Amino acid sequence: GEDVEQSLFLSVREGDSSVINCTYTDSSSTYLYWYKQEPGAGLQLLTYIFSNMDMKQDQRLTVLLNKKDKHLSLRIADTQTGDSAIYFCAEKQDNQGGKLIFGQGTELSVKP
Amino acid sequence: DAMVIQNPRYQVTQFGKPVTLSCSQTLNHNVMYWYQQKSSQAPKLLFHYYDKDFNNEADTPDNFQSRRPNTSFCFLDIRSPGLGDAAMYLCATSRVGGLASKNIQYFGAGTRLSVL
Repeated sequence: GEDVEQSLFLSVREGDSSVINCTYTDSSSTYLYWYKQEPGAGLQLLTYIFSNMDMKQDQRLTVLLNKKDKHLSLRIADTQTGDSAIYFCAEKQDNQGGKLIFGQGTELSVKP
Repeated sequence: DAMVIQNPRYQVTQFGKPVTLSCSQTLNHNVMYWYQQKSSQAPKLLFHYYDKDFNNEADTPDNFQSRRPNTSFCFLDIRSPGLGDAAMYLCATSRVGGLASKNIQYFGAGTRLSVL
């Protein structure tokens, strides 16, 4: 199938680290992405990783990729209340013309 | 400045009454996408234009059509909206130069469609 799966909810305290997990299906995906969606808004690209990388760091964001297990994670360090949003992972399906398949999204709630 | 602009932000239509949603972009991207997103679900690709070439997803109902009169604008037409078509509709653009492209998609803020 072409399901990208994420857990639906995550709750953390302000200042803690958040880790959002995702499993994908297409082992030939060349790129994987993390998008953020705030209430009533469109999706905003946070970061992406090329499939030949294991890790990518960008300020407070760290992406880890385990190709063997088809597992992608997003770690947000020092989580702030402004990070509360829905986070979507997506895979680029190169065998489907390069279209993106999104997971259901993980709703991150940051408590003060 | 917004680079992918969707109008209107909120649209209310009646059951069966045709409705058009619009999207414009200032990025000069060659690909434009329309997604449907229902509450607590993943965005679902309806179709996309690669330049002038229209690409429909296999499971997109015939009720949904699209037009791209020029590079900057793309429209989503729903010919006879049903209650099940109430959703957020997201437009996205990307610059794609081949299968190896990153396909980073830039999204508009969306149009929330209500069907009465």
